[in-house]
Amino acid sequence: GAGVSQSPSNKVTEKGKDVELRCDPISGHTALYWYRQSLGQGLEFLIYFQGNSAPDKSGLPSDRFSAERTGGSVSTLTIQRTQQEDSAVYLCASIPRTGTEGTEAFFGQGTRLTVV
Amino acid sequence: TQLLEQSPQFLSIQEGENLTVYCNSSSVFSSLQWYRQEPGEGPVLLVTVVTGGEVKKLKRLTFQFGDARKDSSLHITAAQPGDTGLYLCAIVPITSYGKLTFGQGTILTVHP
Repeated sequence: GAGVSQSPSNKVTEKGKDVELRCDPISGHTALYWYRQSLGQGLEFLIYFQGNSAPDKSGLPSDRFSAERTGGSVSTLTIQRTQQEDSAVYLCASIPRTGTEGTEAFFGQGTRLTVV
Repeated sequence: TQLLEQSPQFLSIQEGENLTVYCNSSSVFSSLQWYRQEPGEGPVLLVTVVTGGEVKKLKRLTFQFGDARKDSSLHITAAQPGDTGLYLCAIVPITSYGKLTFGQGTILTVHP
């Protein structure tokens, strides 16, 4: 498909385990964001990749969180030693960032993470 | 850091009522977007407003960009249960390498 794809859609993990969440953005989009959304809440910014620039990691809540974007495309968000407060929906968005294509953010459906 | 505040945070109304959601910034911004997120889905863009004083209409939704370019509003006429969702405003950065900044959102529930 042509949309943003996230996997897995649901993940249940035990407290203390590490998890990896994957985002496949729309081909050719240069900007990629990760957000966290707790139940009934707005979007909490985590990290932002723009082209080949250094990522903006200012939203990562702790050093247990990290993210990579390989080859300017696929991104992986890793949470180490998961805690119950990490339970949330993790959303990925990609943006064209090319002139006339505008700045619309295209979101995936998210990964629902539950830490038990 | 540019702050973006949305109000109200929660809104629960009956079908047929009108409502307005507000988005305010601490400083001037170049353009603003409104998104809607339905349960179980990611947010989807509704509109982008660019010019101060601009008004855009999308069926029963009316979007306004303040003259001073520091605020925006979303007005829904005759709300329907299908309008239920999270409404988010976002500041579009001036430069192509700036960060898209979202407000905290307004959760709207429209009861039949």
